Amino acid sequence: EVQLVESGGGLVQPGGSLRLSCAASGFTFSRCAMSWVRQAPGKGLEWVSSISSDSGSTYYADSVKGRFTISRDNSRNTLYLQVNSLRAEDTAVYYCAKRGYCGSGTFYHFDYWGQGTLVTVSS
Amino acid sequence: QTVVTQEPSFSVSPGGTVTLTCGLSSGSVSTSYYPSWYQQTPGQPPRTLIYSTNTRSSGVPDRFSGSILGNKAALTITGAQADDECDYYCVLYMGRGISVFGGGTKLTVL
Repeated sequence: EVQLVESGGGLVQPGGSLRLSCAASGFTFSRCAMSWVRQAPGKGLEWVSSISSDSGSTYYADSVKGRFTISRDNSRNTLYLQVNSLRAEDTAVYYCAKRGYCGSGTFYHFDYWGQGTLVTVSS
Repeated sequence: QTVVTQEPSFSVSPGGTVTLTCGLSSGSVSTSYYPSWYQQTPGQPPRTLIYSTNTRSSGVPDRFSGSILGNKAALTITGAQADDECDYYCVLYMGRGISVFGGGTKLTVL
């Protein structure tokens, strides 16, 4: 059974930083591209960032480029999102999502989702 | 700035059929965008319904189907049930690793 468990969220002041983690199990993590998707309170879903299976390629939404960094440790089956220079508008539940078609190098869709971790940016 | 458009809300009668759409602010949606659809109930993570236009995800009942209708991607729900009442999101793949979500459709079954 695929499981994705996020952690690391919390309350942080504007300008602050956090590192979000996503522990993966139930599939061959090292073969699969992964992503972060967020959802502000009462709002829709927003793609944030993606990373290829070997970390060779990373992609970011314009809204977070230069402030967020996605990474992974295939030896620990863990995905990360370093979030810096946080703003009020970054307040959201951050979901870890597995990309489909593992081994293909594609980013066409998400097939499994974690429960999310809440990041609140407020003074 | 690419905007993916969805109906903000839609209603369907129990047992009825509804088609939700996913378009582009500029241009037409084709299979080359690998449209996918996700269902979300309040307080829960999204659930993958459809990917690559019309492939149902594991465990998704065949009441849910995907297609291209005209210049948009479409999600059709036949035999609507009360627990289909929730939010539905489409995603289009723009290339270069970039995915764009639509704003979501709130479906009411009444």
